Amino acid sequence: GENVEQHPSTLSVQEGDSAVIKCTYSDSASNYFPWYKQELGKGPQLIIDIRSNVGEKKDQRIAVTLNKTAKHFSLHITETQPEDSAVYFCAASMNTGFQKLVFGTGTRLLVSP
Amino acid sequence: GAGVSQTPSNKVTEKGKYVELRCDPISGHTALYWYRQSLGQGPEFLIYFQGTGAADDSGLPNDRFFAVRPEGSVSTLKIQRTERGDSAVYLCASSLGRLGQETQYFGPGTRLLVL
Repeated sequence: GENVEQHPSTLSVQEGDSAVIKCTYSDSASNYFPWYKQELGKGPQLIIDIRSNVGEKKDQRIAVTLNKTAKHFSLHITETQPEDSAVYFCAASMNTGFQKLVFGTGTRLLVSP
Repeated sequence: GAGVSQTPSNKVTEKGKYVELRCDPISGHTALYWYRQSLGQGPEFLIYFQGTGAADDSGLPNDRFFAVRPEGSVSTLKIQRTERGDSAVYLCASSLGRLGQETQYFGPGTRLLVL
């Protein structure tokens, strides 16, 4: 089955810096890669996703890149703000319209003012 | 609009007891998922429904766990003879269940503590 590894487990940055979180997956059949943000006491919230027919996707300060050959995908947050502080999870699945997500172990991002 | 809701938000029970956790998906979402999240870990898949039927229950850890969705909307996760190791946050998610519209929207979770 699919296995997703995520690094780093914690990341501390100063406000305004960039943050990068990296994930690798094992199943070459996976073709859908969402990223979720989870704040304390809340459920995960989708922030961006990418499909395997696209190499990069950007939404304002957030971007995701995908390298299918290497089975790597990364989340990039620019101009970080204190409200970006949360736990971020990557996930992978085979996109068939309905699919189970396999999550990474999470990255705790702390943005200091 | 209303998101995914889960009740109760917290549940404390004793080892050996039976518990039911409820999920109300977003209206119109045909796909419903249950995940379990242990402290410091990512969510782990348990089961998903397409309509009323369990399309994939491969993540259920053992036969003490069971889930139903009798009318294709609300779902209940049932845990019999609870054990301390069942303590976790149980997350429910729903999606439209169509290709290209697969975003899963999560509820706030039910925090289960088995004493």
